[in-house]
Amino acid sequence: AQSVTQLGSHVSVSEGALVLLRCNYSSSVPPYLFWYVQYPNQGLQLLLKYTSAATLVKGINGFEAEFKKSETSFHLTKPSAHMSDAAEYFCAVTRSGSARQLTFGSGTQLTVLP
Amino acid sequence: DADVTQTPRNRITKTGKRIMLECSQTKGHDRMYWYRQDPGLGLRLIYYSFDVKDINKGEISDGYSVSRQAQAKFSLSLESAIPNQTALYFCATSDPPGQSNTGELFFGEGSRLTVL
Repeated sequence: AQSVTQLGSHVSVSEGALVLLRCNYSSSVPPYLFWYVQYPNQGLQLLLKYTSAATLVKGINGFEAEFKKSETSFHLTKPSAHMSDAAEYFCAVTRSGSARQLTFGSGTQLTVLP
Repeated sequence: DADVTQTPRNRITKTGKRIMLECSQTKGHDRMYWYRQDPGLGLRLIYYSFDVKDINKGEISDGYSVSRQAQAKFSLSLESAIPNQTALYFCATSDPPGQSNTGELFFGEGSRLTVL
């Protein structure tokens, strides 16, 4: 079985501040991990993914995430928040790279304050 | 035009009515999915299809049915809608997992369904 926990359903940061969105996973086998972003009235789009290559993964829009096996974490960060980053973010895990086995976290709504 | 198109984008209906949500894609992917999104619950898989002759139940298939009319088309039906089926529904596609494909999903923009 696999699961994903996103700590904090709502996160607020000031524009220019560090963004940190937390994701912890459980998986009985080496996982593939994803972060998706959902802007208002839109579908989800892939931000970045970990597929057992480099542990530090860089994605679009300046986001990155680090896979830490010892902590079973895959936290999403961005050094400096922009107003356009306001969205809902979902962490997801699958084993064997199969999309049908994707398990999504409950999501974190990011608000960026001016 | 969007690669994954869902219709309708918004629908309000009454309890007991039959509803169909349609999805078409131009990505050429074999695999298609229907998800439901509820606040605080993330996305949950309703049904998925790996090709026209392959239909599989997901985590929450009760009360739903699907039809894969062609490689590019995958419809979700609620035979008799009930209020707790009020949600945002997403269609998604993917390539099979492989060297360059790792299970990434490509989503439509969603269909918001309200059942009164």
